[in-house]
Amino acid sequence: EIVMTQSPATLSVSPGERATLSCRASQSVSSNLAWYQQKPGQAPRLLIYGASTRATGIPARFSGSGSGTEFTLTISSLQSEDFAVYYCQQYNNWPRLTFGGGTKVEIK
Amino acid sequence: EVQLVESGGGLVQPGGSLRLSCAASGFTFSSYEMNWVRQAPGKGLEWVSYISSSGSTIYYADSVKGRFTISRDNAKNSLYLQMNSLRAEDTAVYYCARDLGDTVTTGMLDPWGQGTLVTVSS
Repeated sequence: EIVMTQSPATLSVSPGERATLSCRASQSVSSNLAWYQQKPGQAPRLLIYGASTRATGIPARFSGSGSGTEFTLTISSLQSEDFAVYYCQQYNNWPRLTFGGGTKVEIK
Repeated sequence: EVQLVESGGGLVQPGGSLRLSCAASGFTFSSYEMNWVRQAPGKGLEWVSYISSSGSTIYYADSVKGRFTISRDNAKNSLYLQMNSLRAEDTAVYYCARDLGDTVTTGMLDPWGQGTLVTVSS
């Protein structure tokens, strides 16, 4: 099983600031990496796939980078609606999809 | 509008059974592969099961293999998860989620339903 590790667990950021979230895979997943956003009481929503491609309707302030084992999700200027939990997910080892433990982005 | 709506969750005793349903609308259900993903209270996401568009190919996480059965009825635009021999550790919100691709497997999940809570407790 490919283990996905996210850091930090919690990130405190002020509105308008930049947020940088990290995700590490226990072995290479190439660029087969997705990011999801989950708000309280809601289902996850796909943000990024292929490590760097924004899903339909996702604002340009969300960007992804990385390949192999190290990945980053950057939110360039945090808006109030961006405070949420973010999960990375590998699909290189399909069908055994695995997710990271999540990073909670909270208001500083 | 693409929509997935789960139902069937509830409180069940250890060792009991429950059947979850996921009603799909707004897209050609029979063309898409589907998954179940669960989230224990306050925890992260865990993939549970996959079914191909025709239902001919199925996979399970090791944690549920032999106890859970995924199925679909394309005529009814519905996905199911039969859960038997339930354990306390199966307590979670269960989401159905569509594979992003309609002609090829991607492993990316979009959209997701709102989830249904399963609580296993005596």
